[in-house]
Amino acid sequence: DTEVTQTPKHLVMGMTNKKSLKCEQHMGHRAMYWYKQKAKKPPELMFVYSYEKLSINESVPSRFSPECPNSSLLNLHLHALQPEDSALYLCASTNGDGAGEKLFFGSGTQLSVL
Amino acid sequence: GEDVEQSLFLSVREGDSSVINCTYTDSSSTYLYWYKQEPGAGLQLLTYIFSNMDMKQDQRLTVLLNKKDKHLSLRIADTQTGDSAIYFCAEGPSGGYNKLIFGAGTRLAVHP
Repeated sequence: DTEVTQTPKHLVMGMTNKKSLKCEQHMGHRAMYWYKQKAKKPPELMFVYSYEKLSINESVPSRFSPECPNSSLLNLHLHALQPEDSALYLCASTNGDGAGEKLFFGSGTQLSVL
Repeated sequence: GEDVEQSLFLSVREGDSSVINCTYTDSSSTYLYWYKQEPGAGLQLLTYIFSNMDMKQDQRLTVLLNKKDKHLSLRIADTQTGDSAIYFCAEGPSGGYNKLIFGAGTRLAVHP
């Protein structure tokens, strides 16, 4: 299994809603990532979990709350989002957290905030 | 600061070779990557090169690295319509944890 699976594929939410994005991998990878990608832009790193601990938070607003329940799962909890948060949210994983580790990406969740 | 630059668009005829170029600024980067993104999909790692190499070939893909000029290129031989996608160059790691810096992406359009 060389896949990173993200659900849902599409999500529409209002600014007062609470929703969660989910990511799962069964490759035994120990580092998992959330990226945000706006249309026609490159992905931007949001969070990195390494061995289930939050290692990097790229100054992301607190309305985005990551969670790593175990080594295979990564969630992103969303609350009180703004329309400008509409984007493709990509999850990725790497075997370890050292140099040269190859990032495996999921297909993403396309989020629209109304 | 760190920056990765790519041309935004490339159009080629089916069967021709495509060359996508990238420049980067961080001379301490140890790996340079090429990712492909099709519409509505995530990024797929195509190939990568270690910074002490100057060329890597993988089937139809050839990566050339000029470390002195901080210039990276991806050549796709015999380009097919299925190669139409956005290609991202990335350098890394930066600051540990395999943090990659991506370019803006080059949209490759393949026409008959």
